[in-house]
Amino acid sequence: GENVEQHPSTLSVQEGDSAVIKCTYSDSASNYFPWYKQELGKRPQLIIDIRSNVGEKKDQRIAVTLNKTAKHFSLHITETQPEDSAVYFCAASRFSGGYNKLIFGAGTRLAVHP
Amino acid sequence: DVKVTQSSRYLVKRTGEKVFLECVQDMDHENMFWYRQDPGLGLRLIYFSYDVKMKEKGDIPEGYSVSREKKERFSLILESASTNQTSMYLCASNLPRGTEAFFGQGTRLTVV
Repeated sequence: GENVEQHPSTLSVQEGDSAVIKCTYSDSASNYFPWYKQELGKRPQLIIDIRSNVGEKKDQRIAVTLNKTAKHFSLHITETQPEDSAVYFCAASRFSGGYNKLIFGAGTRLAVHP
Repeated sequence: DVKVTQSSRYLVKRTGEKVFLECVQDMDHENMFWYRQDPGLGLRLIYFSYDVKMKEKGDIPEGYSVSREKKERFSLILESASTNQTSMYLCASNLPRGTEAFFGQGTRLTVV
């Protein structure tokens, strides 16, 4: 079945450094790739997403890149701040008609140290 | 303000009990999901529904069933609860066109 692998499982950076999280997916028909942030004790929330017809998308300090040939996509956070500390999940889905099954990676725990 | 609401935040049940977890969304979303969240394993899909009365198994459906009689409500049923089903359960919903999924607050289930 569909599978999404995410690395690293934990990431520790100093405030101001950049952080990169990488994911690979197995279903070549996947066409939607969101990233979610889950703060401690809270529900996951969407921070950025990208569709298969776009190679890169940026929103202030966060950016996502997609390589469809290699079936991998990455989250880049620049100028990290302590409030970026959270668990980040990548996901992939293939939406077609009424079908949109969202499969998540195992998550990356990011710690940003002041 | 969009809302996905799960019926319980914390639940303690005994081994062998039949357990119902309820999820309601007010956004008229076609898709609804049940995930299980365990440390180091991320969000694993249990079941997925793309329309009323329509369902599809996810990665870990064993020991679970679901019901979707109305568009806004998606129920997860543990037919006979076991201790290895102790976990955080998250419900989510979205539209079919590849859009943001909104999550409920989660139900932490403990089976003793």
